[in-house]
Amino acid sequence: AQSVTQPDIHITVSEGASLELRCNYSYGATPYLFWYVQSPGQGLQLLLKYFSGDTLVQGIKGFEAEFKRSQSSFNLRKPSVHWSDAAEYFCAVGARGNTPLVFGKGTRLSVIA
Amino acid sequence: NAGVTQTPKFRILKIGQSMTLQCAQDMNHNYMYWYRQDPGMGLKLIYYSVGAGITDKGEVPNGYNVSRSTTEDFPLRLELAAPSQTSVYFCASTPSFRGDNEQFFGPGTRLTVL
Repeated sequence: AQSVTQPDIHITVSEGASLELRCNYSYGATPYLFWYVQSPGQGLQLLLKYFSGDTLVQGIKGFEAEFKRSQSSFNLRKPSVHWSDAAEYFCAVGARGNTPLVFGKGTRLSVIA
Repeated sequence: NAGVTQTPKFRILKIGQSMTLQCAQDMNHNYMYWYRQDPGMGLKLIYYSVGAGITDKGEVPNGYNVSRSTTEDFPLRLELAAPSQTSVYFCASTPSFRGDNEQFFGPGTRLTVL
């Protein structure tokens, strides 16, 4: 069965500092991997996705993520965090063929001045 | 395109009442999903549909029903509301032709059962 683990429930970073959010997945075949962001009171917005090709993927808002098959990880990074990045971030895994996604429990990001 | 729309945005129900959460998409997507989001628990799949007339249970279907009579609409029905159904509900859709499984989400419905 597919599963996603986001080890960090809450992370606080200073504005301008770098950020890495961790995501580990369990899936037997080649996974389709996603990072979504949810601002308070809003729906989920796709940041980036990976399903084949280059293992370093670029997304919106300056985010990137790296797929590491050997570590079953898909960590999200940003070199310099802005106050507007404060939100909840969800990692998700799916399979080819539009099967339902399995989501992690999320990581809440706080940004301080 | 309006994308995925959900109504209502907020609702308070009394225990035992029933209601329907509406979801519509104007992108001609075949696949549609209902999730519930509880604090610290991520999103859990309630039901999904791969096309008009076809629905299937997800991880947490108890207490809910769905129907899919058109490609555009995927309503979620709560027959006897219980406090355990207090949650934020998200509808999502995916186009079948892309195959990359990216889901497009609605803004959510916040439901409180008292």
